[in-house]
Parts: sequence; structure tokens; C-alpha cells
Amino acid sequence: DAGVIQSPRHEVTEMGQEVTLRCKPISGHDYLFWYRQTMMRGLELLIYFNNNVPIDDSGMPEDRFSAKMPNASFSTLKIQPSEPRDSAVYFCASSPLSVFSEAFFGQGTRLTVV
Amino acid sequence: GNSVTQMEGPVTLSEEAFLTINCTYTATGYPSLFWYVQYPGEGLQLLLKATKADDKGSNKGFEATYRKETTSFHLEKGSVQVSDSAVYFCALSEDYGQNFVFGPGTRLSVLP
Repeated sequence: DAGVIQSPRHEVTEMGQEVTLRCKPISGHDYLFWYRQTMMRGLELLIYFNNNVPIDDSGMPEDRFSAKMPNASFSTLKIQPSEPRDSAVYFCASSPLSVFSEAFFGQGTRLTVV
Repeated sequence: GNSVTQMEGPVTLSEEAFLTINCTYTATGYPSLFWYVQYPGEGLQLLLKATKADDKGSNKGFEATYRKETTSFHLEKGSVQVSDSAVYFCALSEDYGQNFVFGPGTRLSVLP
């Protein structure tokens, strides 16, 4: 398996524009997580899905952020409109249904909003 | 709720020095414990894990023992290398993987 795949790896956009980040989890995994990493706040859980259903979105910073998982092999995180404070590295991770299993992370998308 | 506390660093060591990064946790149940490593510009990778009390996880010369009595999972390595320079995250999970909690990360720099 190729692991968790995120695209794009880097995104530079202007303030006010819509940004869409994409994630393909590992096949067969039941859980998908979106994290945001910044120097100031560290690694923050934004939202996670179980079998394509959003379970906890309490970490989503505000209504400008939305996430979807239309099927088991694809998820998106959308920011509309984007702001400079959204600049961060966004990670997607997936895990199987096992209390003993780790989360498998993608390489991340570095977002810069200018 | 569940939480993970670890020394934030940065930690700077000379090559071949002994490394300890402390990690303690708070959990309502009986979690699995993990150490992840993040190299510059990359995602988090699992370094080692332990799933029950007194288990020792080990990988690439790193070790950590699940201590339930002290709720700790300290990371150790006997002789660090320059290539070990990275950020290390302690984490736990409960409830079938739906509740991963990460510590703040510890930046390690190893000097030649």
C-alpha cells in the first residue's frame, strides 16, 4: 500500500480564496483524521470520521472550515474564505478499527495564505 | 479527558550521548501508547508502541516501557546520532483508535 496520500504538497493562495486539501486514506482503514500543525499551537485535531461519517468536528476552528468524506477512499478539507492565520501544515491520517493500532500519517500539505 | 504531557525542549545533545524524553499521560481507561518521530518537512512516523502494562516498545535503538503505576512512557536511546535530530511526539489512543491524543512534541538536535 502506498500509505496515506495527500495533495497538494504545497499550496500558496491569496487571502479570500477557497482552498481544498485532499486525502486518500489507506485502503480498509475505518478512521480518518485531519490535523493542523503550527509552531504556536502544535498538532491540533480538526475533525475525524468513522466509516465516512463525521464523529467529532469540535476542533474545526470556525465555519470557514468544512470537511467531507464522500466515500471510503477520499476526503477533503476546504477553507473558504482563506485567511493568513490559516497558514499551517495540514495532515491527514487514517487508522484501522483496532485499539492497538497507530494512526498512519500522510506527508502533509503546507498551506501559505498571503 | 485524556491528555499527554512531555518535555517540550528543545533538547540539544552531542553525538553518542544518552537520550531521555519524558512522557506522562492521563487516561480514563487503558490506553495504547506510542512514540512518533517527525523529520524536517515530513509527516509523523510511528517509532514504537506498547499496548499493555510493562510492555517495552523498541525500534532503531530507541526504547520505551509502558509504566501503568507511574502513567509514564519515557523514550530512551543509549547513543544518539546526528540523524536522530527530529521532533518526537508521545501519544495515546483509546476506544478502538478513535481518540488519539498527542503531546506537544520535543525537538531534539544532535550535534556532531
